Amino acid sequence: GAGVSQTPSNKVTEKGKYVELRCDPISGHTALYWYRQSLGQGPEFLIYFQGTGAADDSGLPNDRFFAVRPEGSVSTLKIQRTERGDSAVYLCASSPGTSGTNEQFFGPGTRLTVL
Amino acid sequence: AQSVTQPDIHITVSEGASLELRCNYSYGATPYLFWYVQSPGQGLQLLLKYFSGDTLVQGIKGFEAEFKRSQSSFNLRKPSVHWSDAAEYFCAVTGFQKLVFGTGTRLLVSP
Repeated sequence: GAGVSQTPSNKVTEKGKYVELRCDPISGHTALYWYRQSLGQGPEFLIYFQGTGAADDSGLPNDRFFAVRPEGSVSTLKIQRTERGDSAVYLCASSPGTSGTNEQFFGPGTRLTVL
Repeated sequence: AQSVTQPDIHITVSEGASLELRCNYSYGATPYLFWYVQSPGQGLQLLLKYFSGDTLVQGIKGFEAEFKRSQSSFNLRKPSVHWSDAAEYFCAVTGFQKLVFGTGTRLLVSP
């Protein structure tokens, strides 16, 4: 079956602009996660959803970052007033549930470059 | 707070030689531990996981890992490396939903 998909695969924007990154999870997966991977680093947790609600957004770096999952499937990560430091690969993952024993399946990521 | 340390940034191994990638974790309770592999342009793929029970776990692609509570370690091993194993490897721990990753080890395979 189809895995996690993310669009766009690459996004180049200018400092101060607004961007949206989309994640399409595996069908039927109730949990969805966003991570950010900076160059030379491991992925860092941003936020996760159980269904439509954000169950933990403790990893969002500041209020310029926001994510939604209005129908419990597709999620959009929104970044306002982008800064050069936001440049990274944004990874999305989904899992069948939120137990720590559930495997998280990752998408290929969106590479964001802020000029 | 949970944390993961991967002390080796790069490792070079000859094709056919054995491999061991180190991972140390910090977590107050019994951890759930994972190893992921990331190839260029690819998403993270789960190699193996440890939740409980047998401390030696087998994964895909001939990898295995051993959980040692006394050393807070979860090292990844493979008896014979193939050129296609060249990639970035991440160790991760989770105690409550979110994964905490190490900084990764880049494996280079020489002919």
